Amino acid sequence: NAGVMQNPRHLVRRRGQEARLRCSPMKGHSHVYWYRQLPEEGLKFMVYLQKENIIDESGMPKERFSAEFPKEGPSILRIQQVVRGDSAAYFCASSLEENTEAFFGQGTRLTVV
Amino acid sequence: QKEVEQDPGPLSVPEGAIVSLNCTYSNSAFQYFMWYRQYSRKGPELLMYTYSSGNKEDGRFTAQVDKSSKYISLFIRDSQPSDSATYLCAMGWGAGNQFYFGTGTSLTVIP
Repeated sequence: NAGVMQNPRHLVRRRGQEARLRCSPMKGHSHVYWYRQLPEEGLKFMVYLQKENIIDESGMPKERFSAEFPKEGPSILRIQQVVRGDSAAYFCASSLEENTEAFFGQGTRLTVV
Repeated sequence: QKEVEQDPGPLSVPEGAIVSLNCTYSNSAFQYFMWYRQYSRKGPELLMYTYSSGNKEDGRFTAQVDKSSKYISLFIRDSQPSDSATYLCAMGWGAGNQFYFGTGTSLTVIP
């Protein structure tokens, strides 16, 4: 049973380009969480999704960031018009149900040049 | 005030020592608590999950939750060099809610 799969592992984008980060949850998991981690900082919540629904996006910046978790396929975190401050590690986690263990992927390290 | 407070360390111990890692929190509504281990440039790995108060043991790891004091602990017995990593506590309170993370404690176990 594969764990949470994130791709790409590393992503380099120039300022102003778009970044698309993908997350395939563990088999059978329908709850997905996205977190951002900056060096020397903890994990900061961004968004919580269930299949086809955004449940909590209180941690998402109001502009340029969006997330989806379609009925088929991976969850996507999309960052438009990236800026240098977007450079960070982005982690996805999934859980089987609400309030149960959340398992993380290996992350996507975004570098904006 | 942060939701979750965790001493960043660094913490350095000799091999075989008992390690105690702790977090405090401010929100009395938190009901479930997790400990993760994160190696450099890797994703967090779930070590322990507990619901409400009490103790839970898994091999060399013991997690304790004291809701009256808003304090949780992770104990590592017979620590090994492979335990050297950053340890993150996380907690949440209810349906559909996010997990709140501490900033992590860096641990080094010296052979």
